[in-house]
Amino acid sequence: KAGVTQTPRYLIKTRGQQVTLSCSPISGHRSVSWYQQTPGQGLQFLFEYFSETQRNKGNFPGRFSGRQFSNSRSEMNVSTLELGDSALYLCASSLLGPTSTDTQYFGPGTRLTVL
Amino acid sequence: QQQVKQSPQSLIVQKGGISIINCAYENTAFDYFPWYQQFPGKGPALLIAIRPDVSEKKEGRFTISFNKSAKQFSLHIMDSQPGDSATYFCAASKDTDKLIFGTGTRLQVFP
Repeated sequence: KAGVTQTPRYLIKTRGQQVTLSCSPISGHRSVSWYQQTPGQGLQFLFEYFSETQRNKGNFPGRFSGRQFSNSRSEMNVSTLELGDSALYLCASSLLGPTSTDTQYFGPGTRLTVL
Repeated sequence: QQQVKQSPQSLIVQKGGISIINCAYENTAFDYFPWYQQFPGKGPALLIAIRPDVSEKKEGRFTISFNKSAKQFSLHIMDSQPGDSATYFCAASKDTDKLIFGTGTRLQVFP
């Protein structure tokens, strides 16, 4: 079974631009979560989608948005990029969500650098 | 209430030694406590997880100890190997809510 794939793997943008990141979950998984990983803040939850609906949201500004398609693939968009948005963006998929009986599988991440 | 505090930030252990990483939480509603292992350039991978109805879970060289009354849980790596060198994250969640991660521990095992 193929794992979680994220594209692109690396991205360089300038301040003020917008960016779209893509995540393809493991086949059959309906839950996709997004996390931002930085050296200073660690792993922070952005949002989770389940069956095309946003089910949970973290404490990030409205510049961060996402969506999930009917095939469970998910995209994350960041508008008006700021230097502080430079981070590794991780996508995780699971069958039902981050529960005690379900396992989240992480992709390799997209490294975003904002200049 | 939502925080998970992890220590130490970094750990250096001799090959064959025991590595111990600790986490503490505040929200008593948390019911799922996983540990993730992350190698450079890779996403985190689930290592081992525990629920609060047991005090210990062992999988190979990895053991989670859970103290519900103290709201603490820890990861013990027995017979640590250089291949265990990675960053380890504890996490917690309740129901289908988001995973709250600790800040990570960078483990280096020297031969």
